[in-house]
Amino acid sequence: LAKTTQPISMDSYEGQEVNITCSHNNIATNDYITWYQQFPSQGPRFIIQGYKTKVTNEVASLFIPADRKSSTLSLPRVSLSDTAVYYCLVGDMYDTGFQKLVFGTGTRLLVSP
Amino acid sequence: DADVTQTPRNRITKTGKRIMLECSQTKGHDRMYWYRQDPGLGLRLIYYSFDVKDINKGEISDGYSVSRQAQAKFSLSLESAIPNQTALYFCATSDLGSGDTGELFFGEGSRLTVL
Repeated sequence: LAKTTQPISMDSYEGQEVNITCSHNNIATNDYITWYQQFPSQGPRFIIQGYKTKVTNEVASLFIPADRKSSTLSLPRVSLSDTAVYYCLVGDMYDTGFQKLVFGTGTRLLVSP
Repeated sequence: DADVTQTPRNRITKTGKRIMLECSQTKGHDRMYWYRQDPGLGLRLIYYSFDVKDINKGEISDGYSVSRQAQAKFSLSLESAIPNQTALYFCATSDLGSGDTGELFFGEGSRLTVL
């Protein structure tokens, strides 16, 4: 399973755009990139998933360069409620090993007024 | 009502006691998981089950056992609890079909304290 590296923490202010980058140098051909969000004392929640180029939904955008060795989660105009831990996961969802995805320690985002 | 329900939500017990954490889901998913989270750390997979007849160990299964009583129910047991099993435990479900993302749906967590 591909190992991921992301910043331990980030700070931002309300209204700003936040970009969290995840490095996954040994990503495999069939691997997808998935991001989860976790609030304190709650289970993680799926945010977005992509394979290549750009994916956008109502919550965030995911940018994946051509070499797929990294990805960037973009949160537009963050609010205080976006303060959470964000996890980047990489794996082939059709591989039984996908079930063993490692959440790691994630990136702790703190949004201030 | 939550799609993935965990009971109890909070439990304090003593070393050596047997503890069972229960998880039930209404999503109709075949796949269920138990994770453990320690303060400031990510989630670690304890056990997972692809269907009622399938049980698999995760990365930290020692000291734990599970039972998949039905498609909708997956229980985690600590046969003899020890203090370093104090943690927040999460149950999750997923399903995989054409076009699915393999998204994990988590319960609200069960906080276990072992004295």
